[in-house]
Amino acid sequence: KQEVTQIPAALSVPEGENLVLNCSFTDSAIYNLQWFRQDPGKGLTSLLLIQSSQREQTSGRLNASLDKSSGRSTLYIAASQPGDSATYLCAVRSYAGGTSYGKLTFGQGTILTVHP
Amino acid sequence: GAVVSQHPSWVICKSGTSVKIECRSLDFQATTMFWYRQFPKQSLMLMATSNEGSKATYEQGVEKDKFLINHASLTLSTLTVTSAHPEDSSFYICSARGRGVYEQYFGPGTRLTVT
Repeated sequence: KQEVTQIPAALSVPEGENLVLNCSFTDSAIYNLQWFRQDPGKGLTSLLLIQSSQREQTSGRLNASLDKSSGRSTLYIAASQPGDSATYLCAVRSYAGGTSYGKLTFGQGTILTVHP
Repeated sequence: GAVVSQHPSWVICKSGTSVKIECRSLDFQATTMFWYRQFPKQSLMLMATSNEGSKATYEQGVEKDKFLINHASLTLSTLTVTSAHPEDSSFYICSARGRGVYEQYFGPGTRLTVT
């Protein structure tokens, strides 16, 4: 059974700092890994998706890396801004016994607060 | 991009009553829809997966008679919480996927409070 863990559970940083969020998963047989953002009381916004054959993906100030063999991913946020404050969720898509396209398993999330 | 809507965005109901939540894919045909549940400060837990025209597949520990899922068309799935109790209070999020693709698009969620 796939398990996804995110560290830290919460992070508070001053504006302008570069920061790293960590995600680890127990079963390395994944199709892909995805990072989401969730604002309080809202749904999920997809940030980056890394295929299992890729090492990293970049979008603006965000960079996500994937080391499938060690079961780890990091989300790097450069020059953080107060608007980046949200919960960041990591999710892996892995084989789920007969279901096509696998199943998404989510981590518990990292609550990020960027203060001015 | 693909858009998924949910209605209502929040609902309060009395214990023992049933409540229905709708999930719609607005600009694509959703052959598969997923229903997740999220408790405060916790992760999303998959409740069930439904394919259009088929019965839903429920995850272990999810009561199918309590959480009725109907995926009657390629753009609409409904989740009915029957005989709701305060412990059913949660944030319910649906997700939809089109034919031949794996990427899922998420709805904005529905906050259910059972009093």
